Amino acid sequence: AQTVTQSQPEMSVQEAETVTLSCTYDTSESNYYLFWYKQPPSRQMILVIRQEAYKQQNATENRFSVNFQKAAKSFSLKISDSQLGDTAMYFCAFMTPSGTYKYIFGTGTRLKVLA
Amino acid sequence: GAVVSQHPSRVICKSGTSVKIECRSLDFQATTMFWYRQFPKQSLMLMATSNEGSKATYEQGVEKDKFLINHASLTLSTLTVTSAHPEDSSFYICSARGTDYEQYFGPGTRLTVT
Repeated sequence: AQTVTQSQPEMSVQEAETVTLSCTYDTSESNYYLFWYKQPPSRQMILVIRQEAYKQQNATENRFSVNFQKAAKSFSLKISDSQLGDTAMYFCAFMTPSGTYKYIFGTGTRLKVLA
Repeated sequence: GAVVSQHPSRVICKSGTSVKIECRSLDFQATTMFWYRQFPKQSLMLMATSNEGSKATYEQGVEKDKFLINHASLTLSTLTVTSAHPEDSSFYICSARGTDYEQYFGPGTRLTVT
């Protein structure tokens, strides 16, 4: 069975600094998708970034980028120029495009951006 | 695009009553929808997968007779919490799967059972 591990329950970063959130996963599948979701205090789940396993290039979305290491089964999220609005829970998720397409979520990292 | 709504956003009900939560995909058709439960400061726990026109698939440990799911159309799935008790109080989130495999999440429903 697939598992997703986020080893950092809480992190903090100064505004304008860079922070990296870690995520590791375990799977025997070769084709899968990885996601980072942000859940602010409103509790609306917001997609931050997605990565297809078959793509070697790391995904980027403005200030957000990932370091996808397929062999190491690692999928970390880097937030550059952190802003107060980045304060939220961040969840890493894994999905295989077959069967039910359900997500396996990590336990989350609570990020606080300090002014 | 890819907007999912949930109704109601908050509901308070008395112990022993039933409550229905609706999940709608507003601008796309979703053959598959998912229902999650989230306790404070915890991750999302998948309760069930809902496929249009067929019975829902429940995760292990989820009581199917307590959490009734109906997915009668390509844009609507409902979760009914039957004979609710205080321990059913939680935050319930639905999502709908788009054609690109990604799940689009509703804003959630806070259920309080008194």
